Amino acid sequence: VLTQSPDTLSLSPGESVTLSCRASQYVDKYLSWYQYKTGQPPKLLIYDSSLRATGVPARFTGSGSERDFALTISSLESEDFAVYYCHHRDDWTFGGGTRVEI
Amino acid sequence: QEQLAESGGALVKPGGSLRLSCVASGFAFKDYNMAWLRQPPGKGLEWISYISDTEYTLYYADSVRGRFTSSRDNRRKSLYLQMDSLTVDDTAIYYCARVLRYRFDMWGRGTPVTVSS
Repeated sequence: VLTQSPDTLSLSPGESVTLSCRASQYVDKYLSWYQYKTGQPPKLLIYDSSLRATGVPARFTGSGSERDFALTISSLESEDFAVYYCHHRDDWTFGGGTRVEI
Repeated sequence: QEQLAESGGALVKPGGSLRLSCVASGFAFKDYNMAWLRQPPGKGLEWISYISDTEYTLYYADSVRGRFTSSRDNRRKSLYLQMDSLTVDDTAIYYCARVLRYRFDMWGRGTPVTVSS
């Protein structure tokens, strides 16, 4: 089970943010992060815990291991306000998501 | 251009059935594992099914096992989701996605399914 925190963050453009994803038990590196905006399909941002998907800006950074993983967005831009989900291959489930809003 | 396009979403009554399709273009569909996922209104993303490239391996989420069936036709570059015994909790936007080593690296735009009397 993946638990994301917090549920919602209210921020301003230019700020930095770190989103948390905690697994209920040790997991391997195959954790990925997705960005979801209403009306659009989810977008892969990070895979294998820390690798950026093709075309993803460098302000998105994934980190972590074992049970604790994080997605850091440095200097938020207007298009970054969305819901972010983590996912691990162990049981194919997603975390509950973190909404990043203005 | 690599693309996935879902179709088949509709309004259906509880207990009814529906078949979704997903057509791939721009890549070697037969070489990829695929998945179905959904986003219910106001809720989080949910993975519901995984199907390997040869259809040999199939996985389902507990919430749909026994009611939903995934299949594929590699000659037609198509993925299918047969949904039976639908309930209001199955209301969602349904996405097909390409699976690349444990990540969903490409998604379709989704097709809406509404289960309501």
